[in-house]
Amino acid sequence: SQKIEQNSEALNIQEGKTATLTCNYTNYSPAYLQWYRQDPGRGPVFLLLIRENEKEKRKERLKVTFDTTLKQSLFHITASQPADSATYLCALVRDGNKLVFGAGTILRVKS
Amino acid sequence: EADIYQTPRYLVIGTGKKITLECSQTMGHDKMYWYQQDPGMELHLIHYSYGVNSTEKGDLSSESTVSRIRTEHFPLTLESARPSHTSQYLCASSELGDLKAGEQYFGPGTRLTVT
Repeated sequence: SQKIEQNSEALNIQEGKTATLTCNYTNYSPAYLQWYRQDPGRGPVFLLLIRENEKEKRKERLKVTFDTTLKQSLFHITASQPADSATYLCALVRDGNKLVFGAGTILRVKS
Repeated sequence: EADIYQTPRYLVIGTGKKITLECSQTMGHDKMYWYQQDPGMELHLIHYSYGVNSTEKGDLSSESTVSRIRTEHFPLTLESARPSHTSQYLCASSELGDLKAGEQYFGPGTRLTVT
């Protein structure tokens, strides 16, 4: 079955720095990969989608890369702010619109 | 902000009770989903629907059942709640078709505790 691995340890960074989160997957060749943000006690919120033929996607301070050879996606937040503190989830799109999620990485941005 | 609603937000109930978790969306989406999530863990798909009168079981086996009589409404029912059902239940919806490649809109979730 598909397996998605995200850093289980929280990422602590200083305000203004770039946060880089990693998503690795096995046993699958997804056509799309998505990133979501989840705050405590809330549902995930969609951030970015990247297709297999796209190497990089940007949206404001966010950047996602997708390396289908390495089976890895990197998620970057530049000029991070304390408000960026949350759990970030990676999800693969399969079988139409069904998603397989990773457990997420907690990001803490300190001022 | 996504227009998808879940009620109740929190529910504490005794073993053996029947419960229904409500989920409604006003976006006209055909696809709807139920996920179960424990603290610090990934979301697991337990049910999905591609339209009215269409329901399928997800990857994670669940004793719950769902119905889809109206496009906007996708309730989840547990006939006899047990402590093992304690979890966060998240409802989501998405558009049909490949245009948005499965971008899902989530409700705020229901935190269920069975004592």
